[in-house]
Amino acid sequence: AQSVAQPEDQVNVAEGNPLTVKCTYSVSGNPYLFWYVQYPNRGLQFLLKYITGDNLVKGSYGFEAEFNKSQTSFHLKKPSALVSDSALYFCAVRDGRGYSSASKIIFGSGTRLSIRP
Amino acid sequence: NAGVTQTPKFQVLKTGQSMTLQCAQDMNHEYMSWYRQDPGMGLRLIHYSVGAGITDQGEVPNGYNVSRSTTEDFPLRLLSAAPSQTSVYFCASSYDRVPYNSPLHFGNGTRLTVT
Repeated sequence: AQSVAQPEDQVNVAEGNPLTVKCTYSVSGNPYLFWYVQYPNRGLQFLLKYITGDNLVKGSYGFEAEFNKSQTSFHLKKPSALVSDSALYFCAVRDGRGYSSASKIIFGSGTRLSIRP
Repeated sequence: NAGVTQTPKFQVLKTGQSMTLQCAQDMNHEYMSWYRQDPGMGLRLIHYSVGAGITDQGEVPNGYNVSRSTTEDFPLRLLSAAPSQTSVYFCASSYDRVPYNSPLHFGNGTRLTVT
């Protein structure tokens, strides 16, 4: 069964420093990977996705993610953090095989990112 | 363009009561789904639909029913509410029937408390 893990409940970074939010996955078949962000009292918003191609994926708000097949990881990164990046971040995965399983997108437990001024 | 609309925003139920959480989208999306969000658990998929008349179970379907009679609407029914169903519920939709090429669009959630 597909699964996704976010090993850190919280990440604290100073403004202007680089940030990394970690995600590892387990799927059968080709992985389809996503990052979403959630601001307080709102639904999730799409940041970026990996389907195929370049291992470095660029997304919204200056975020990027690095796909590493050998380590089954899809870490979210940003070169210079902003206070406004403080939010809850979710990694998600969709199994690449089969019609019914293809319609399920499974989310990780979330990582709270806190950027201090 | 309203996107994904969920009603109500807040609801308090007593154990054993029933209710329906409403979800409507005006983007002509084929795929719709329901998630619940609990602290430390992330989002867990309850049910999903790849088009009108088609529904399937997710990770945690027990205690919930869904139907999809139109493309626009995907209501979630709690037949006999239990305290374990206290959660924040999110509806999400996607243009593609297989939602890997187009992102999920989320509503703002319904906060449900069962006493």
